[in-house]
Amino acid sequence: GESVGLHLPTLSVQEGDNSIINCAYSNSASDYFIWYKQESGKGPQFIIDIRSNMDKRQGQRVTVLLNKTVKHLSLQIAATQPGDSAVYFCAENKGDYKLSFGAGTTVTVRA
Amino acid sequence: GAVVSQHPSWVICKSGTSVKIECRSLDFQATTMFWYRQFPKQSLMLMATSNEGSKATYEQGVEKDKFLINHASLTLSTLTVTSAHPEDSSFYICSARGLAGGPGETQYFGPGTRLLVL
Repeated sequence: GESVGLHLPTLSVQEGDNSIINCAYSNSASDYFIWYKQESGKGPQFIIDIRSNMDKRQGQRVTVLLNKTVKHLSLQIAATQPGDSAVYFCAENKGDYKLSFGAGTTVTVRA
Repeated sequence: GAVVSQHPSWVICKSGTSVKIECRSLDFQATTMFWYRQFPKQSLMLMATSNEGSKATYEQGVEKDKFLINHASLTLSTLTVTSAHPEDSSFYICSARGLAGGPGETQYFGPGTRLLVL
């Protein structure tokens, strides 16, 4: 089965609000995690990554949090915009940078 | 930077024919390329790992004789779906990872190739 999974398959958020997308992983030895955004009919787009020696990393409007104690990963998007509507995947390094993807969360931004 | 392209973006073929999909890293050297398959409303499933100059390694359950992978240079990998059948219809996506410390160290994805086998 999947070693990486997401808590919720869908998320509806009001434009301008903050979004939080969650992900649980099962392999405590995983050392590298990535969040991707995939729009319909396109390939995944890199958002942000984090290594296991960190618990937080910030990018432009996005923050990734890693809690190794409970094997939980989250992506926070600040001031969500209509262009943020997409499917978001967390991915885990299985070794040799082979990625295991979670099921994905569909984010819909309401105007 | 770190742009990956795929060609073609769409392909429709008859059952029994072979289809070749190209994956190129445009602005970095990709030591490793990966091939994924994605069915509608599902996640990405890793098919195989392609290293330049060596044989590809396939994930469990993926037929290596059906999905031929060649990684002839540091910027090009090809996936050939041989004797395609309707059940091979899917969205095929490649990703590329570059040299450590370079712009492509993180895994970047191509735009995908949608294959429809009639």
